[in-house]
Amino acid sequence: SQQGEEDPQALSIQEGENATMNCSYKTSINNLQWYRQNSGRGLVHLILIRSNEREKHSGRLRVTLDTSKKSSSLLITASRAADTASYFCATDPGTASKLTFGTGTRLQVTL
Amino acid sequence: NAGVTQTPKFQVLKTGQSMTLQCAQDMNHEYMSWYRQDPGMGLRLIHYSVGAGITDQGEVPNGYNVSRSTTEDFPLRLLSAAPSQTSVYFCASSRTAGTGESYEQYFGPGTRLTVT
Repeated sequence: SQQGEEDPQALSIQEGENATMNCSYKTSINNLQWYRQNSGRGLVHLILIRSNEREKHSGRLRVTLDTSKKSSSLLITASRAADTASYFCATDPGTASKLTFGTGTRLQVTL
Repeated sequence: NAGVTQTPKFQVLKTGQSMTLQCAQDMNHEYMSWYRQDPGMGLRLIHYSVGAGITDQGEVPNGYNVSRSTTEDFPLRLLSAAPSQTSVYFCASSRTAGTGESYEQYFGPGTRLTVT
């Protein structure tokens, strides 16, 4: 069963705008990770946030984690056409490294 | 480093045939896993391994076998292919902590399998 659910399922924005995706999960976690997948390619790790962290930054990426609401958000600032991809959250329940992935958000950034 | 490699990239099988999807990594990672990705379903864990000689089932293990004789290789075997196994298969690897907490996973490019 899917642990993480991303919202929205699809997002279309113009270059230069910010993109925000949300992830909700059901059980307690050790950490939560975000991945990007370009069409037809494997997933690429973006950022990992641990359960005792509330916010993390990496370049134009900002991730927040609210364990009380069991939710996380990924913000991409100043989006570029190259950011067009699907974005997945993955939760680590702390059981033998078994990450569970959500269904993803498809981001389209147009010029 | 080549990272995680998978072969073949594409494969078409007939129902009932068997085959092995190959996965190798050169990062000396202890943890390796296989996922399948279907439209609208995200990635689902098939089998995983926390080290050579140790494997365990994931969310959707039926119809698949794995073995881990070396740190580098983690092949996935389809015993008797069925149309329901048409999917894109990804292999991934990562380092592990002694506590079992996961780290970032490195993914291979995927194998697109069609079963007719």
